[in-house]
Amino acid sequence: QVQLVESGGGVVQPGRSLRLSCAASGFTLSPYTMHWVRQAPGKGLEWVAVISYDGSNKYYADSVKGRFTISRDNSKNTLYMQMNSLRPEDTAVYYCARDVGPFDIWGQGTMVTVSS
Amino acid sequence: EIVLTQSPGTLSLSPGERATLSCRASQSVSSSYLAWYQQKPGQAPRLLMYGASSRATGIPDRFSGSGSGTDFTLIIARLEPEDFAVYYCQQYGSSRTFGQGTKVEIK
Repeated sequence: QVQLVESGGGVVQPGRSLRLSCAASGFTLSPYTMHWVRQAPGKGLEWVAVISYDGSNKYYADSVKGRFTISRDNSKNTLYMQMNSLRPEDTAVYYCARDVGPFDIWGQGTMVTVSS
Repeated sequence: EIVLTQSPGTLSLSPGERATLSCRASQSVSSSYLAWYQQKPGQAPRLLMYGASSRATGIPDRFSGSGSGTDFTLIIARLEPEDFAVYYCQQYGSSRTFGQGTKVEIK
């Protein structure tokens, strides 16, 4: 079964860090560009970051640039997001998604809550 | 950055009725690289349409998409109970951006 499974979310204080993981199963991650997309409670979808199939190119939304780092380990079939200097406005469900042009496979999401 | 504006924000309809959702881009979307997603509460988005008018795998034919350039439309021909959800458009011709969503609710 082709799927993506996120993990690593939780409650964290402002200014702290968190690392999200997205494990692929049923397919090999390595040929695909991958993205993180987030959704604040009751809000729409916000694209966060993208990484090329080999990790050589990475781009970020202005809202997270300099604080978040996307990475991947194709040998482990896993995508990551290192989130530093977290702010309350980063509170959201974080989804990883496979890029085939549109996003054809999405994980179930992992909730990140930034609160003191 | 291409900004996508969806209208209306909310559509109140009854099962069996036709739904027409609009997505307007701030600049032309190259090669009609426009997708639609459906999201139900507590679930991840699901790809419905890509290339403006092609249905994704397993999507019933009551869903159809059209448009080019800056104006795109998603039509649900006859609403089924499971179609009440939020719909997002996305352009993937220049980076990736999403519209703000249209909620289709039961009248």
